[in-house]
Amino acid sequence: DAKTTQPNSMESNEEEPVHLPCNHSTISGTDYIHWYRQLPSQGPEYVIHGLTSNVNNRMASLAIAEDRKSSTLILHRATLRDAAVYYCILRRPGNAGNMLTFGGGTRLMVKP
Amino acid sequence: DGGITQSPKYLFRKEGQNVTLSCEQNLNHDAMYWYRQDPGQGLRLIYYSQIVNDFQKGDIAEGYSVSREKKESFPLTVTSAQKNPTAFYLCASSMRQGATNSPLHFGNGTRLTVT
Repeated sequence: DAKTTQPNSMESNEEEPVHLPCNHSTISGTDYIHWYRQLPSQGPEYVIHGLTSNVNNRMASLAIAEDRKSSTLILHRATLRDAAVYYCILRRPGNAGNMLTFGGGTRLMVKP
Repeated sequence: DGGITQSPKYLFRKEGQNVTLSCEQNLNHDAMYWYRQDPGQGLRLIYYSQIVNDFQKGDIAEGYSVSREKKESFPLTVTSAQKNPTAFYLCASSMRQGATNSPLHFGNGTRLTVT
């Protein structure tokens, strides 16, 4: 299965943009790139997903490299409520189902 | 509002006892999943179900059992055979098992402590 690599932690100042990187060099053509975030003692929350084109929604933007071997989650203006662990996951179909494998993620700290 | 409900939020058990964690969804989702999370770690898949009366083992199924008698419900039993049962357990669902672009919806978890 294709894996993702993310930095363990990042810091940001409140009201500034945040770029969270993810490497997935073994991604296959049918893998979707999903991002989730998890606040302390809560379940993960879906943020955004994409296949090839950049994507925007009310929470964030997803920039996908042309070769799809990396992607970046962009929070345009970080708030204290954005402090969480962010997971980059590849979702693929297959006989074993359509599950997500979550790695360690990036812990984002937002400073006021 | 639709969502996933896990109960209880905290659960304490003595070693050697089986315990069942509840997961109910009213999203009309076909697929449901159970994950385990240990402190500072990512999520590991225990079991998943694509349809009623069918389920498959995930990466760490040993010591766990599930049932899927109703579309809305996917209870997880942690048996006495599970060597390290203390963990944060998360239930999730998605619209269609075969859809790679269908996001997962998670409950808020059950924190199980076994002493």
